[in-house]
Amino acid sequence: AQTVTQSQPEMSVQEAETVTLSCTYDTSESDYYLFWYKQPPSRQMILVIRQEAYKQQNATENRFSVNFQKAAKSFSLKISDSQLGDAAMYFCAYRSARWDTDKLIFGTGTRLQVFP
Amino acid sequence: DAGVIQSPRHEVTEMGQEVTLRCKPISGHDYLFWYRQTMMRGLELLIYFNNNVPIDDSGMPEDRFSAKMPNASFSTLKIQPSEPRDSAVYFCASSPLAPEPDTQYFGPGTRLTVL
Repeated sequence: AQTVTQSQPEMSVQEAETVTLSCTYDTSESDYYLFWYKQPPSRQMILVIRQEAYKQQNATENRFSVNFQKAAKSFSLKISDSQLGDAAMYFCAYRSARWDTDKLIFGTGTRLQVFP
Repeated sequence: DAGVIQSPRHEVTEMGQEVTLRCKPISGHDYLFWYRQTMMRGLELLIYFNNNVPIDDSGMPEDRFSAKMPNASFSTLKIQPSEPRDSAVYFCASSPLAPEPDTQYFGPGTRLTVL
């Protein structure tokens, strides 16, 4: 069974600085998708970024980028020029590309604090 | 486009009462998912539907929980009778068949408190 591990329960960063959130996963599959979701205090789960495992190029969305290391099964999220609005819980998630499953497997989350 | 809509946003009820949570997926999305989030267990998938048909309900905790999707634009999650341990945030999410069927979009959640 696949698992997702976020080893940093909490992280903090100063406004305008860069922070990296870690995520590792365990799978025997070669084709899958990885995601980062943001959950602010409002509790809404917001998709931040998506990565297809068969693409070597790291996904980027504005100030958010990932470092996808397939061999190491690592999928870290880098937030550049951090803003106060980035303060939230961040969840890493895995989804198999198999046709017979549509489940997202989530990590336990990392709480990010942003200081002015 | 409107996102996933859930109602109510907050629900407070007493043990033993029936609770019904509602979800309207994004128009055109073929998949609908129900999740529960608690501090102890994190995010758990309860059940999901494809084209209104339940595909996997292995995450439904017990017979007190039931979910239906009578049409493509509406789903309910019902708890009867409710218990204090059901207190959680319940999320509905939907995903399209294309171009990215792997990507789920979440609603704002319903915070349920059972006293």
